[in-house]
Amino acid sequence: QVQLVQSGAEVKKPGASVKVSCKASGYTFTSSGISWVRQAPGQGLEWMGWISAYNGDTNYAQKLQGRVTMTTDTSTSTAYMELRSLRSDDTAVYYCARSKAARVSWFDPWGQGTLVTVSS
Amino acid sequence: QSVLTQPPSASGTPGQRVTISCSGSSSNIGSNYVYWYQQLPGTAPKLLIYTNNQRPSGVPDRFSGSKSGTSASLAISGLRSEDEADYYCAAWDDSLSGYVFGTGTKVTVL
Repeated sequence: QVQLVQSGAEVKKPGASVKVSCKASGYTFTSSGISWVRQAPGQGLEWMGWISAYNGDTNYAQKLQGRVTMTTDTSTSTAYMELRSLRSDDTAVYYCARSKAARVSWFDPWGQGTLVTVSS
Repeated sequence: QSVLTQPPSASGTPGQRVTISCSGSSSNIGSNYVYWYQQLPGTAPKLLIYTNNQRPSGVPDRFSGSKSGTSASLAISGLRSEDEADYYCAAWDDSLSGYVFGTGTKVTVL
């Protein structure tokens, strides 16, 4: 079955960077893309961006432009999301989800989530 | 901040029908598909409805979606205890060139 497995929880200091991985299985990795969505504690969902696993094209949320980079490694069917210059309000659970295209697409399935805590 | 507005809560007794609204604008719901996600407590979201009113395989037909103009709604008929969860609508926003989510609705089964 299609499955996305994410890396473990991280604790980072303000100003640092974090890189979260998302390993896909059960489908042809390059036939789709990966979206990243985050959820601050007790809050709603926020879309961060999308990357094509076919050609590496990206589409980032305007709010995060310049601080986020999404990449893929097709040899291991793994997607990565790196967020730089971390602030306390970046504390959230970060999810990856399979997403066919940048615009007309849905998120299915989702990874289990990775908690990133930013604290001094 | 969320661009799509949902009621913070909704409730019903087992067997009842509950409807959740999602209000947007011409740049998102008005011109793009709507999707609905269910998030059970402590778990990752799950796709419930895609392209306005389609159910993925495995989603019970008790769940249905609709869209009209710049609003959409999710209906849950024959409410069950396992439907207690947070529900989010989502749509592409042409002005932001990105996806936007609703504020989320917590459904409680009384």
